[in-house]
Amino acid sequence: DAGITQSPRYKITETGRQVTLMCHQTWSHSYMFWYRQDLGHGLRLIYYSAAADITDKGEVPDGYVVSRSKTENFPLTLESATRSQTSVYFCASSEQLLYTEAFFGQGTRLTVV
Amino acid sequence: AQSVTQLGSHVSVSEGALVLLRCNYSSSVPPYLFWYVQYPNQGLQLLLKYTTGATLVKGINGFEAEFKKSETSFHLTKPSAHMSDAAEYFCAVTRDDKIIFGKGTRLHILP
Repeated sequence: DAGITQSPRYKITETGRQVTLMCHQTWSHSYMFWYRQDLGHGLRLIYYSAAADITDKGEVPDGYVVSRSKTENFPLTLESATRSQTSVYFCASSEQLLYTEAFFGQGTRLTVV
Repeated sequence: AQSVTQLGSHVSVSEGALVLLRCNYSSSVPPYLFWYVQYPNQGLQLLLKYTTGATLVKGINGFEAEFKKSETSFHLTKPSAHMSDAAEYFCAVTRDDKIIFGKGTRLHILP
């Protein structure tokens, strides 16, 4: 199916464990983004990528790692999960960015216990 | 630096009443502005966007927004609220390969 998909939709993990959230888009969009959504903070940018093998930090990158070896995939890894990383994570992609809309996945609700 | 400010984290209107959600931006250059909507347990989807041209922009579901450069505003309106409009609304601006979102406004519709 065409679109942008995130997996898993829900995840519970323990403090200190490594967790990877997956994001896959079928449009070959150049730009991809990871946001976290928390009450009172709106959407905060974690990492973004303008093309394959090009990534950059956003507003809240600490504790997260990304890679983009293929245009269609943009996984987000929490190297050692902490309770403060409990959040809803959204992946998005955009073809051109300035003029065109971003398309969002359904989100991953991550709970760190 | 470019940022987006949404006034009011919660807005309540009666069904059939005017909806007005406020967004102000700070920018030294003409911005590209967007409004997104998020329904419960879903991702964001585009309502409308302003890039160039006409300053009154029409979007989906009867929403529209007007770009006012003199006021650095991009307020979202809808003449008559419907129960299905209950959602969270985000104003956004693009710059430097990033999309910057406001903190969001949750719209409540009163019967």
